[in-house]
Amino acid sequence: KNEVEQSPQNLTAQEGEFITINCSYSVGISALHWLQQHPGGGIVSLFMLSSGKKKHGRLIATINIQEKHSSLHITASHPRDSAVYICAVRSDSNTGNQFYFGTGTSLTVIP
Amino acid sequence: GAVVSQHPSRVICKSGTSVKIECRSLDFQATTMFWYRQFPKQSLMLMATSNEGSKATYEQGVEKDKFLINHASLTLSTLTVTSAHPEDSSFYICSARKTGTELYFGPGTRLTVT
Repeated sequence: KNEVEQSPQNLTAQEGEFITINCSYSVGISALHWLQQHPGGGIVSLFMLSSGKKKHGRLIATINIQEKHSSLHITASHPRDSAVYICAVRSDSNTGNQFYFGTGTSLTVIP
Repeated sequence: GAVVSQHPSRVICKSGTSVKIECRSLDFQATTMFWYRQFPKQSLMLMATSNEGSKATYEQGVEKDKFLINHASLTLSTLTVTSAHPEDSSFYICSARKTGTELYFGPGTRLTVT
């Protein structure tokens, strides 16, 4: 079983739709990251969360520590949002830095 | 926001040669940097943790003699793939820790070994 599970794996949306990507994890964490990876491979850090909610432009990320769940929302989606979105967590293990990555959600936004 | 750069962004090398990839934190000092690799259609996999001034800590299954990591300064870590083989072809990504849990990712380096 993966420590980080994302859903859905693939998502196709019409331009303008509201999109939600979910991330569930099974380890204790010190932080959760949402990353965006474009088709060329380049990675952009979108959010770092340890509690609550963050907003940046059309992107909103929330985390519920008790439920071990985070969501990434995209409002008014646009074709340029097409990318793979990866959820990553840094565990709070005493044995050192432990990172776990979800397998990613591939988003395609159709004009 | 904090910026992490990688150089080169793409590199093609012949089998048996060594390739060095640089990871720099441009506007902050990073005591810890991390190196990942990503195979096609797969997620990132942590390879090693690099602390400034000390030896890197490698994840299980990662050959330390093949993937040499040097973190000589607070803004630079290098990953050298030694005696590269085609199976080392991958996307290599670094991240740098600014403070506490603040982590910034580099854009990645695509390595192709022919």
